[in-house]
Amino acid sequence: EAQVTQNPRYLITVTGKKLTVTCSQNMNHEYMSWYRQDPGLGLRQIYYSMNVEVTDKGDVPEGYKVSRKEKRNFPLILESPSPNQTSLYFCASGRGLNSNQPQHFGDGTRLSIL
Amino acid sequence: GENVEQHPSTLSVQEGDSAVIKCTYSDSASNYFPWYKQELGKRPQLIIDIRSNVGEKKDQRIAVTLNKTAKHFSLHITETQPEDSAVYFCAASGYSSASKIIFGSGTRLSIRP
Repeated sequence: EAQVTQNPRYLITVTGKKLTVTCSQNMNHEYMSWYRQDPGLGLRQIYYSMNVEVTDKGDVPEGYKVSRKEKRNFPLILESPSPNQTSLYFCASGRGLNSNQPQHFGDGTRLSIL
Repeated sequence: GENVEQHPSTLSVQEGDSAVIKCTYSDSASNYFPWYKQELGKRPQLIIDIRSNVGEKKDQRIAVTLNKTAKHFSLHITETQPEDSAVYFCAASGYSSASKIIFGSGTRLSIRP
């Protein structure tokens, strides 16, 4: 089954404690992207990657890091989380926004930073 | 910076009536405009998209129109049904990068029985 898998689904942690949210896709997609969703603000793109070792900033990259060492994985790293990073996070993969195929989203990760 | 404005933020329509959601974008270089539907507690899902070389696209009860000159695009849902209740997001992409995308803030659509 084609899917994008995020882990963990829920996480409560404290300010400053490094955390990683993993994202894995089994569709051999070149394009992967991270978004955060906050009430009244919609979805905002954090980082995206067009292929292995190629990453670029989205609209709100501050406080986040990503890596793309393998095609299937695109982890989101918060080196020193802060309360304003409390949000719902989605990972997505696809052939690229200009392809004829839609992005596939994961089920989301709800992060609470205390 | 680039911006996408979406209106209204909430919309309630009688079952069977039509619903229209409007978006405007700031960068004239944008060339790809997808619409996503997100049901409560679920992931966003693409329902229809349009590219800048097309003025209108239709898929059964859903249609999208694009006015490049005015930099706005709209989602039209006809003969609304209860399962259309969800949050809808518009988005624009393609200006600085084919992979960077800006979303609108969302419209919560409720269908009254």
